[in-house]
Amino acid sequence: GAGVSQTPSNKVTEKGKYVELRCDPISGHTALYWYRQSLGQGPEFLIYFQGTGAADDSGLPNDRFFAVRPEGSVSTLKIQRTERGDSAVYLCASSLTPDSSYNEQFFGPGTRLTVL
Amino acid sequence: GNSVTQMEGPVTLSEEAFLTINCTYTATGYPSLFWYVQYPGEGLQLLLKATKADDKGSNKGFEATYRKETTSFHLEKGSVQVSDSAVYFCALTRRQTGANNLFFGTGTRLTVIP
Repeated sequence: GAGVSQTPSNKVTEKGKYVELRCDPISGHTALYWYRQSLGQGPEFLIYFQGTGAADDSGLPNDRFFAVRPEGSVSTLKIQRTERGDSAVYLCASSLTPDSSYNEQFFGPGTRLTVL
Repeated sequence: GNSVTQMEGPVTLSEEAFLTINCTYTATGYPSLFWYVQYPGEGLQLLLKATKADDKGSNKGFEATYRKETTSFHLEKGSVQVSDSAVYFCALTRRQTGANNLFFGTGTRLTVIP
């Protein structure tokens, strides 16, 4: 299909390990967002890319979290020294342009991260 | 700041019952408002939206009206079906240049029984 895809769908890791989560946005979408959804909560914004640059990373909780989008398409969210509190579903969304008022954000199925 | 408060669930209704899920918001400026839905085993999908005061968003029999005076965007449906069972999220985005990330409520789980 032509939707947003995320890999892996599930990731189990041990405390202190490094993980990478991948997002493939819809082709041609310039805006890409990462959100984190903890159990029983709504998604919370982490970082936004317009093209290749991280235009707004104000939602990243600390410097263990980092994301890249080197060619303006696929993005990778990287988490260093994982902690149990990082366990959540990580969602990626893309939109044709950044104006979410008029351009729908399409969400991927998410990556469920479990830190033991 | 920007935030969304929505009715806590879970909500259980019989088929053909009337549905209301309350949503109120706090925002700087003039936000756009959304309802997203997450069906079992699926990703978040946009259900409806309204971009200015008094606008009514509608889709699949659901409606919500942007009420600036009460800062609300309540979701309604006149007759729910079993297939409407899902988690519903109210959300807003600030209309501005740059990032237009969504601010979500905590979600309301709806179960419709035959």
